[in-house]
Amino acid sequence: QVTLKESGPVLVKPTETLTLTCTVSGFSLSNARMGVSWIRQPPGKALEWLAHIFSNDEKSYSTSLKSRLTISKDTSKSQVVLTMTNMDPVDTATYYCARTGTTYYYYYMDVWGKGTTVTVSS
Amino acid sequence: DIQMTQSPSSLSASVGDRVTITCRASQSISSYLNWYQQKPGKAPKLLIYAASSLQSGVPSRFSGSGSGTDFTLTISSLQPEDFATYYCQQSYSTPRVFGPGTKVDIK
Repeated sequence: QVTLKESGPVLVKPTETLTLTCTVSGFSLSNARMGVSWIRQPPGKALEWLAHIFSNDEKSYSTSLKSRLTISKDTSKSQVVLTMTNMDPVDTATYYCARTGTTYYYYYMDVWGKGTTVTVSS
Repeated sequence: DIQMTQSPSSLSASVGDRVTITCRASQSISSYLNWYQQKPGKAPKLLIYAASSLQSGVPSRFSGSGSGTDFTLTISSLQPEDFATYYCQQSYSTPRVFGPGTKVDIK
């Protein structure tokens, strides 16, 4: 059974750096053409794609947040880490990680974690 | 970046109704389009990928169509468990932008 679980702080202060960890099970981060994406959702708002990383270490970021985001993986620990610098109250959201797979070059997020809620406040 | 729009932003429907949601991309994305369903307080669920391929385990009343810039998600006979918000997402290029969502609620 494939599962993903997000972990990290519930509360961060403005200007601090947020570090979130996605721990996966049921698949390997070294599986060909497979990766993990991060997505967030502010309260009452739409989904926002943040970043992804694949087994070949290919990475991509949201254009608007690129300067603040770093994604990395530790295959031996089955973990993907997302860091976001200079946090602001507008970054308050539920943060999800999701397995990203492919079929004939069609990418999709087929298994999601339950999400972790992060509040940015002093 | 490719921009995604959806219409309507919300709709009210009854059980048994046929429901159609439209998604439009700002440029051609071929068939690189996914649909997700999200219920309140829950993570999104993949319904359809590659514009029309039904994800395993998803009921056949859900279907997707379209290519290029215009896509539709159709629910042939709305069931009580289908009241949710639906998002499209392009997977043609990065960043993999989502649409703003369409909320389907009970009439």
